[in-house]
Amino acid sequence: ILNVEQSPQSLHVQEGDSTNFTCSFPSSNFYALHWYRWETAKSPEALFVMTLNGDEKKKGRISATLNTKEGYSYLYIKGSQPEDSATYLCALNNAGNNRKLIWGLGTSLAVNP
Amino acid sequence: GAGVSQSPSNKVTEKGKDVELRCDPISGHTALYWYRQSLGQGLEFLIYFQGNSAPDKSGLPSDRFSAERTGGSVSTLTIQRTQQEDSAVYLCASSLSVGRAHEQYFGPGTRLTVT
Repeated sequence: ILNVEQSPQSLHVQEGDSTNFTCSFPSSNFYALHWYRWETAKSPEALFVMTLNGDEKKKGRISATLNTKEGYSYLYIKGSQPEDSATYLCALNNAGNNRKLIWGLGTSLAVNP
Repeated sequence: GAGVSQSPSNKVTEKGKDVELRCDPISGHTALYWYRQSLGQGLEFLIYFQGNSAPDKSGLPSDRFSAERTGGSVSTLTIQRTQQEDSAVYLCASSLSVGRAHEQYFGPGTRLTVT
């Protein structure tokens, strides 16, 4: 059974702090790793899709790295702002024949002003 | 352009009734997914449609759940004889093609409450 783990489950930081959290996944049969942001009362929104080992992607103050050999990805937020408060989800595509994403339970981030 | 839309946004129904949830994907997106999120749980995959291929129904929790996608566009998720444990937010997403690295675009969801 494929399992995607995210840690920590929740996080509270002060405005201006930088933070990071982890997504762990089985490294065998890896195809792609997705990061999504889900704000309260809104729909999940894609942040990054990563496929290559060692890949690093950046969008504004948010960046992500990928290690497919050891099965983890880090999401970094530099200088957190209250509007960054959301649940950050990662999801795995494996190299099987289906197109389902295997979702983690998310890291809930609260940024205090 | 228009994003993924879902209707209704909220639905309250009595236990035992049937409900239909609708999803309009982004025009041109060939892949369509249904998920649900129950209180305190993560996203749970329900069913996936890709073009004219047979849908992947492996996530449907029981035979009370069914879905169809007509004309490769609009999809309807039907829950028969609803139970209280069916209460959840039902999300629909679409993506551009079969490529696994294509991001999914989510609709606003339908919050289903079974009383």
